[in-house]
Amino acid sequence: AQKVTQAQTEISVVEKEDVTLDCVYETRDTTYYLFWYKQPPSGELVFLIRRNSFDEQNEISGRYSWNFQKSTSSFNFTITASQVVDSAVYFCALSEGGGKLIFGQGTELSVKP
Amino acid sequence: DGGITQSPKYLFRKEGQNVTLSCEQNLNHDAMYWYRQDPGQGLRLIYYSQIVNDFQKGDIAEGYSVSREKKESFPLTVTSAQKNPTAFYLCASKIGPDNYGYTFGSGTRLTVV
Repeated sequence: AQKVTQAQTEISVVEKEDVTLDCVYETRDTTYYLFWYKQPPSGELVFLIRRNSFDEQNEISGRYSWNFQKSTSSFNFTITASQVVDSAVYFCALSEGGGKLIFGQGTELSVKP
Repeated sequence: DGGITQSPKYLFRKEGQNVTLSCEQNLNHDAMYWYRQDPGQGLRLIYYSQIVNDFQKGDIAEGYSVSREKKESFPLTVTSAQKNPTAFYLCASKIGPDNYGYTFGSGTRLTVV
């Protein structure tokens, strides 16, 4: 069965620290997509990144970077030099063949000044 | 601007009453989804629809009903059979069969008193 696990429920860091959010997934599909979303206190989901199962290249976008490793079924997310505005709940998600998104439990990140 | 509109943002209902949450999109997306979010549990799929006049149960469909009479609209009814309806509800849509391009609404927070 498809499953996404975010083992870190809450993380608290001080501004300018680097922080890595872990995501481990399970799927039998050979073709799938992985996502990261940010949910600020207002509640809407903000799309951060999508990665397909055939593209294991790491990606960097400003202070954000993602490390996708099929060998360990992980898709970790790192924020470099965190800022208070990064405080939010972050979700990792897996898209299976039927188009449904399966979400992890979320990691609540608190960045203190 | 194209997007998904969920209304209302906050909804209060008495226990035992049915309530309908609205979800409208003007993106011409084929597929639409309803998710429920409880604290610490991530998002769980309630129902989804890939074409008009067709929909499928998600992981937690009991106590909910939907309709898809128009491409733009996918209302969710929370019935009195739902034992614990207080939650945050998110609607999403996606164009075509490709597993990317999900768009989320801003959510409805339902409180049953």
